Amino acid sequence: DVKVTQSSRYLVKRTGEKVFLECVQDMDHENMFWYRQDPGLGLRLIYFSYDVKMKEKGDIPEGYSVSREKKERFSLILESASTNQTSMYLCASSHPTGSYEQYFGPGTRLTVT
Amino acid sequence: AQSVSQHNHHVILSEAASLELGCNYSYGGTVNLFWYVQYPGQHLQLLLKYFSGDPLVKGIKGFEAEFIKSKFSFNLRKPSVQWSDTAEYFCAADPGSADGLTFGKGTHLIIQP
Repeated sequence: DVKVTQSSRYLVKRTGEKVFLECVQDMDHENMFWYRQDPGLGLRLIYFSYDVKMKEKGDIPEGYSVSREKKERFSLILESASTNQTSMYLCASSHPTGSYEQYFGPGTRLTVT
Repeated sequence: AQSVSQHNHHVILSEAASLELGCNYSYGGTVNLFWYVQYPGQHLQLLLKYFSGDPLVKGIKGFEAEFIKSKFSFNLRKPSVQWSDTAEYFCAADPGSADGLTFGKGTHLIIQP
């Protein structure tokens, strides 16, 4: 089974802090994604990556950056956390061809105070 | 911009009732369609998917969905719901690329015993 893991289930940070959210997948998938999930808004794509050192902006990239130094790992970075970034963050991975079915991690609930 | 809309944000049903959750998408060409489910405290997981072929797609746990191209719809159905179907349901679409999914805002389904 595909496994996508995220470094923390719950995280509390202060406004202005730099925050790193880590995601690792074990199925050798080329594509990886970061979404945020908010009540009433569904999931919105922040960034995605086709390959190592490659990144593409999604629908809501402002205030975020990403890093992909290894194929299995995709990090989401909040350079200076703000209260409006309090959310559930979901990582996903998929193959670049075929079904494009995405496999999701358990999520990190980030609270910025 | 491409979009996915779900008709109902909150649905409450009794056990054994029939379920239909509406989903419409705005893509004009090729489209892959998905229904994901998120049970309380659990990962987002795939219920079913449509890429081509038979427009009636069967998924896990007795769910099915019908792709109607002329109506740009992909509604989810289950003939008899159970209390364990209580969850958040998300419809998602992509235009046959690997650029990330566009999700609807979700439907919170509550099944009363």
